[in-house]
Amino acid sequence: DIQMTQSPSSLSASVGDRVTITCRASQGISNYLAWYQQKPGQVPKLLIYATSTLQSGVPSRFSGSRSGTDFTLTISSLQPEDVATYYCQKYNSAPPITFGQGTRLEIK
Amino acid sequence: DVQLLESGGGLVQPGGSLRLSCAASGFTFSSYAMSWVRQAPGKGLEWVSSISSTGGSTYYADSVKGRFTISRDNSKNTLYLQMNSLRAEDTAVYYCAKDIGYRPLYFDYWGQGTLVTVSS
Repeated sequence: DIQMTQSPSSLSASVGDRVTITCRASQGISNYLAWYQQKPGQVPKLLIYATSTLQSGVPSRFSGSRSGTDFTLTISSLQPEDVATYYCQKYNSAPPITFGQGTRLEIK
Repeated sequence: DVQLLESGGGLVQPGGSLRLSCAASGFTFSSYAMSWVRQAPGKGLEWVSSISSTGGSTYYADSVKGRFTISRDNSKNTLYLQMNSLRAEDTAVYYCAKDIGYRPLYFDYWGQGTLVTVSS
């Protein structure tokens, strides 16, 4: 099975900072990658699908990109409401559906 | 609005059984695949099982294969997860999630979850 490795596992940044979270696939998955945001005490929310397409209603400060088997979620200017754990999920040849381990984002 | 309402969680002894339900509304239930995703306390998301829109195809994580059974009743707009031979490591919040198409891909709506605790 394809493994998804997220990094870092946690990070702390200041309001206004540019934040980058990476997800590496153990094999090629084309653009079949989604990102979710889970705020403390809340259910996961779909942010991005197909590597870079923003789900309706998601602020434009969020973006996604790909280089080979490395996928990146970028927050261009961190806001207090962005405190959350972020998960990547691959869906090529799904199932099985595989999530990354998660990245906990805090405000410094 | 899309709504997914899980029920059926609770405390069960190791080796016991539990049946989860997810009542769906606000969309054409029979047109979409549905899935269960769980989250152990303080841990990440783990895909458990998926079912195609018609119910004709089912899929399971290796960790639950042979113990859990996913099903759906499109006439009742309801998704189910029958969980047998429960283990302590099955303790988690179980989320019902709506897929974006007729087969499992990724999830655009999630329920609030139901807690399953396996303990003696």
